[in-house]
Amino acid sequence: KAGVTQTPRYLIKTRGQQVTLSCSPISGHRSVSWYQQTPGQGLQFLFEYFSETQRNKGNFPGRFSGRQFSNSRSEMNVSTLELGDSALYLCASSPGTRNQPQHFGDGTRLSIL
Amino acid sequence: TQLLEQSPQFLSIQEGENLTVYCNSSSVFSSLQWYRQEPGEGPVLLVTVVTGGEVKKLKRLTFQFGDARKDSSLHITAAQPGDTGLYLCAGEGNQFYFGTGTSLTVIP
Repeated sequence: KAGVTQTPRYLIKTRGQQVTLSCSPISGHRSVSWYQQTPGQGLQFLFEYFSETQRNKGNFPGRFSGRQFSNSRSEMNVSTLELGDSALYLCASSPGTRNQPQHFGDGTRLSIL
Repeated sequence: TQLLEQSPQFLSIQEGENLTVYCNSSSVFSSLQWYRQEPGEGPVLLVTVVTGGEVKKLKRLTFQFGDARKDSSLHITAAQPGDTGLYLCAGEGNQFYFGTGTSLTVIP
């Protein structure tokens, strides 16, 4: 069974630009969650999508947005990039029901210059 | 505010030693997961515990879920260099809440 696939693996952008990250979940998984990981803050929850609807949202500004398609693939968009947005962005998928763990992709390393 | 606190934050031990990592919260979770993450990779699921008081063993790793489903521990027996990594606990509520992480280094 293929795992969670995130593209691209690495990305370099400059301040003020915008970026779109992609996540393909494990086949059959309907829930996709996005996290930001930094050395200082650890894993911070961005949002979760389930069946194309945002089910939960973390405490991030509106510059961070996402969407999910009918095939469960998800994209995350960050607009007006800031230096502090440099991080590893992780996507995790799960069936979306109780007591079913999340499985992570290897992340997209975003660097803002 | 971090919902789940892990301790210790950093741990450096010799190969063959035993260790315990703790994951504590004041909140009740329906399940709790432990992950290990290596540099440049995403977290890899080690175990899920669901029932209060549950104990699960994975080779040299023993996981316990507290009776009240608020805390958990991970015990490693005879640590190996391959155990080196960042250990993360995650509690399931209306979303998954991640702990602060424990960075383990096992020295050969």
